[in-house]
Amino acid sequence: GAVVSQHPSWVICKSGTSVKIECRSLDFQATTMFWYRQFPKQSLMLMATSNEGSKATYEQGVEKDKFLINHASLTLSTLTVTSAHPEDSSFYICSARARDPGPSSYNEQFFGPGTRLTVL
Amino acid sequence: GQNIDQPTEMTATEGAIVQINCTYQTSGFNGLFWYQQHAGEAPTFLSYNVLDGLEEKGRFSSFLSRSKGYSYLLLKELQMKDSASYLCAVEAGTALIFGKGTTLSVSS
Repeated sequence: GAVVSQHPSWVICKSGTSVKIECRSLDFQATTMFWYRQFPKQSLMLMATSNEGSKATYEQGVEKDKFLINHASLTLSTLTVTSAHPEDSSFYICSARARDPGPSSYNEQFFGPGTRLTVL
Repeated sequence: GQNIDQPTEMTATEGAIVQINCTYQTSGFNGLFWYQQHAGEAPTFLSYNVLDGLEEKGRFSSFLSRSKGYSYLLLKELQMKDSASYLCAVEAGTALIFGKGTTLSVSS
């Protein structure tokens, strides 16, 4: 099946610094990538949707100036958490949707392994 | 608004059958997904329903009733490794809206 990677898998940073998380589709082209955040024992909350070559669409309550998303190519999207604070500590997961659904009858999203961010 | 409800926790024993229910109210519906998620890992796809009825895939089956805004995931012949969170997600537009997940504990 399709593979999505994330880097780094975990990161610890000091309060006030910025952290960049990469999401890559390894064997398919992704026209759309999604960024989710998951707090302990909570479900995935969609933060933003990004389409290659255009600005990301942010969900209500998500600060676009704090969570910068760049989808520069069909295989790479990045999420930068600017001026991170302890409350930003969370599990960040990306997913990617293929350009063409292929044999599936639906347009499945493929999830990356997630990035655990801890802000001290 | 968007609302997806599922039980928070369920317990069952090895070899048993368990049904995890999901009700939803969303603006738009393009299909319903079930995912399995182990702690600290990304969700893995289990099933997809867009038409009413039952989809069977090995030990896992998923049912959908669009008129009732209702779905369930049926797990048969439970194994210890099935202990995980099970997430119900509705595709509304292009995005997936997730429920809070049901934590299933399987005991021997």
